[in-house]
Amino acid sequence: KNEVEQSPQNLTAQEGEFITINCSYSVGISALHWLQQHPGGGIVSLFMLSSGKKKHGRLIATINIQEKHSSLHITASHPRDSAVYICAAEYGQNFVFGPGTRLSVLP
Amino acid sequence: DAGVTQSPTHLIKTRGQQVTLRCSPKSGHDTVSWYQQALGQGPQFIFQYYEEEERQRGNFPDRFSGHQFPNYSSELNVNALLLGDSALYLCASSIRQGIGANEKLFFGSGTQLSVL
Repeated sequence: KNEVEQSPQNLTAQEGEFITINCSYSVGISALHWLQQHPGGGIVSLFMLSSGKKKHGRLIATINIQEKHSSLHITASHPRDSAVYICAAEYGQNFVFGPGTRLSVLP
Repeated sequence: DAGVTQSPTHLIKTRGQQVTLRCSPKSGHDTVSWYQQALGQGPQFIFQYYEEEERQRGNFPDRFSGHQFPNYSSELNVNALLLGDSALYLCASSIRQGIGANEKLFFGSGTQLSVL
């Protein structure tokens, strides 16, 4: 069964802190996506990874295929980073989503 | 360049009714996927359409059906609505790359369906 787990479920940080959100999946995937969902539902795709590491601004995503694990890092966090972060494992043309990590960054 | 657009944004129905939700993909995208997101949970994959055919389906009953038009836009139909169908319905578009990974997904803002 394809399952995606995330930790932590909820995370509160002070502005400026370094944040890490973890994602693990159960079987081989073709890609791993990191998504950001703001209140009201809008989802923005942050990264698509099949190996290694990607960086965009203050966001860094890494994936370890052998360990079936991916991490999303936010450097110098800001209150506007407050959102739900979701990882989604892509299996062929199917996607399995994690439950999300709710991040609150306090000023 | 418009991104993914969904309509309506909100919808209220009663049990047993039928509903149609609409999605227009991002310009240049040919693949549309539909997701159901219950409150406080991650999205659940419903199905994906490419070349006007359903290509992949998640664990949803036949009450959930869809259609893709030649202009790549798509509809999600739900028959015999149940209270448990109340959720945010999200549409995502992408460019299919044959066997292998999609590009980054682009999501619409969703349709919030409430079944009373």
